[in-house]
Amino acid sequence: NAGVTQTPKFQVLKTGQSMTLQCAQDMNHEYMSWYRQDPGMGLRLIHYSVGAGITDQGEVPNGYNVSRSTTEDFPLRLLSAAPSQTSVYFCASSYNGRGGETQYFGPGTRLLVL
Amino acid sequence: AQKITQTQPGMFVQEKEAVTLDCTYDTSDQSYGLFWYKQPSSGEMIFLIYQGSYDEQNATEGRYSLNFQKARKSANLVISASQLGDSAMYFCAMREGDDSWGKLQFGAGTQVVVTP
Repeated sequence: NAGVTQTPKFQVLKTGQSMTLQCAQDMNHEYMSWYRQDPGMGLRLIHYSVGAGITDQGEVPNGYNVSRSTTEDFPLRLLSAAPSQTSVYFCASSYNGRGGETQYFGPGTRLLVL
Repeated sequence: AQKITQTQPGMFVQEKEAVTLDCTYDTSDQSYGLFWYKQPSSGEMIFLIYQGSYDEQNATEGRYSLNFQKARKSANLVISASQLGDSAMYFCAMREGDDSWGKLQFGAGTQVVVTP
């Protein structure tokens, strides 16, 4: 099991460029989420999905799009990058199992927007 | 309004001592889940422990235990016998309500430094 994988690990963008952060999980989890972490802060939810074809906005969705065509993949698109989107982005997947729930995080993508 | 409050920005603890990290939460839902994560300097988020709102027993996982006081809305993490490898940022998080699977709200974190 690879768990939750994210690519790329690092990315530098210029203001106005677009890009897609990739996220994949091989645990057959229903729920997937994207968070951002700014320096010295906790994580904030950008978008999440409760299953293939179903997505919804989190706390800070502006400037980002998501789609979920398969259970495994949940890409995050930056439409027109801004310096305020400089952050570390984490993808997570989770399930609601009989033993409780656990949200597993990918290793993160560090994004710098110039 | 802040849903998760961690009042200790940072703390030092001596190796082999126990440490308690405070977390209070705010919700009107009866069904919720509370999580603790560890973030070492390498940056990954490591799941430590989970407590469901209906769980009657406090959760334990090895050296980690969660002191769940529902009436006070507190979910403190206790790390027993601290080790140098416990030095990290620790985050408390909450899943609020039955329709919020996959949506966590995080506190600002507590930086723990374990000294020899």
